[in-house]
Amino acid sequence: EIVLTQSPGTLSLSPGERATLSCRASQSVSSSYLAWYQQKPGQAPRLLIYGASSRATGIPDRFSGSGSGTDFTLTISRLEPEDFAVYYCQQYGSSGYTFGQGTKLEIK
Amino acid sequence: EVQLVESGGGLVKPGGSLRLSCAASGFTFSSYSMNWVRQAPGKGLEWVSSISSSSSYIYYADSVKGRFTISRDNAKNSLYLQMNSLRAEDTAVYYCARGMPSLRYWGQGTLVTVSS
Repeated sequence: EIVLTQSPGTLSLSPGERATLSCRASQSVSSSYLAWYQQKPGQAPRLLIYGASSRATGIPDRFSGSGSGTDFTLTISRLEPEDFAVYYCQQYGSSGYTFGQGTKLEIK
Repeated sequence: EVQLVESGGGLVKPGGSLRLSCAASGFTFSSYSMNWVRQAPGKGLEWVSSISSSSSYIYYADSVKGRFTISRDNAKNSLYLQMNSLRAEDTAVYYCARGMPSLRYWGQGTLVTVSS
């Protein structure tokens, strides 16, 4: 089973700043099968990025994804107040889906 | 508009059973793989099970294998999760989600609490 490790666990930033979230896999992941989600309290997760770097429909272009192999990154170029939430990476493989443990993005 | 609406959650004793349902609308249900994902209180996301569009392929997380059964009825646009031998650690919000390999649409979830 592929394990995804996200860092940092918590990221404290101010609106307008740039956020960089990391997702590291225990073995190589196909870029086609790497996604990022945003979850706010009491809500279902929302797909942000699929295929490692493609934005889902309706996602602002301040969100971008990059990476390959075992290292993937979600970047939010300029934080808006509504961006403070928990972010998860996810991979799909022969054993099904696995999620990272999440990064909480909080207001500094 | 794509809608996924889960139901069937509730309080059940350890060792008990529960059947969750997910009613789908706004898309051709029979064309898509479907999934169950759960989230324990205050914890992260955990994939539970997936089923292909025609039910030919079914997968389970090791944590639920042998206890949970996923199924679907394409004529009724519905997805199901039969949960048997429930344990305290199965307590979670259960989401149905559409898609593979990424989960494009999610329901709002139904809470399952396993407690005596």
